[in-house]
Amino acid sequence: DIVMTQSPDSLAVSLGERATINCKSSQSVLYNSNNKNYLTWYQQKPGQPPKLLIYWASTRESGVPDRFSGSGSGTDFTLTISSLQAEDVAVYYCQQYYSNPTFGQGTRLEIK
Amino acid sequence: QVQMAQSGTEVKKPGASVKVSCKAYGYTFTGYYIHWVRQAPGQGLEWMGWINPTSGGTNYAQKFQGRVTMTRDTSISTAYMELRSLRSDDTAVYYCAKARYYYESSPLDYWGRGTLVTVSA
Repeated sequence: DIVMTQSPDSLAVSLGERATINCKSSQSVLYNSNNKNYLTWYQQKPGQPPKLLIYWASTRESGVPDRFSGSGSGTDFTLTISSLQAEDVAVYYCQQYYSNPTFGQGTRLEIK
Repeated sequence: QVQMAQSGTEVKKPGASVKVSCKAYGYTFTGYYIHWVRQAPGQGLEWMGWINPTSGGTNYAQKFQGRVTMTRDTSISTAYMELRSLRSDDTAVYYCAKARYYYESSPLDYWGRGTLVTVSA
């Protein structure tokens, strides 16, 4: 199985500031035949199911605010929230779907 | 709109089985794989497997092989996940989720609200 490792485990950022979460896979999730990275980001708030934010590493899901962006390729990926809002407090997970899906351990984002 | 409606809370004894249902609304049920993911209390997300609603074909995570069965009833747009020989560490919220695309490797775009399964003597 591909192991997904996120950093940091938790993060406190001031309102309006940038938040950056990293995700590293134990092997490449870039599929060479279509040049797509099989990597998603989910947001989970307490008592709710995960919500799809980003797929193909950088494609924003419909309705997701443009302050959320994804980047990276191969084995190293980043989720960036450009200007943190109060409603962004949540746990964020990366997930690869290159092979049988695996998730990162999650990053808890709080307000400083 | 798309909804994944899951069955209610379950309390089981160790060694028992549980069967969770997931009824799909608002899209063509046979058009997209359904995945099952679980989350133990205060823990992260763990993928369990998927079912192809058209063929009934399945793919299970190795950890659950031999203990899980995923099925579907296309006439009522419902998928099922049965987990047997329950242990206390199977206590978790079990989610079903719809794949965005009709192939194995796909992001999951709609999730059910989850079914809490508690395993306790």
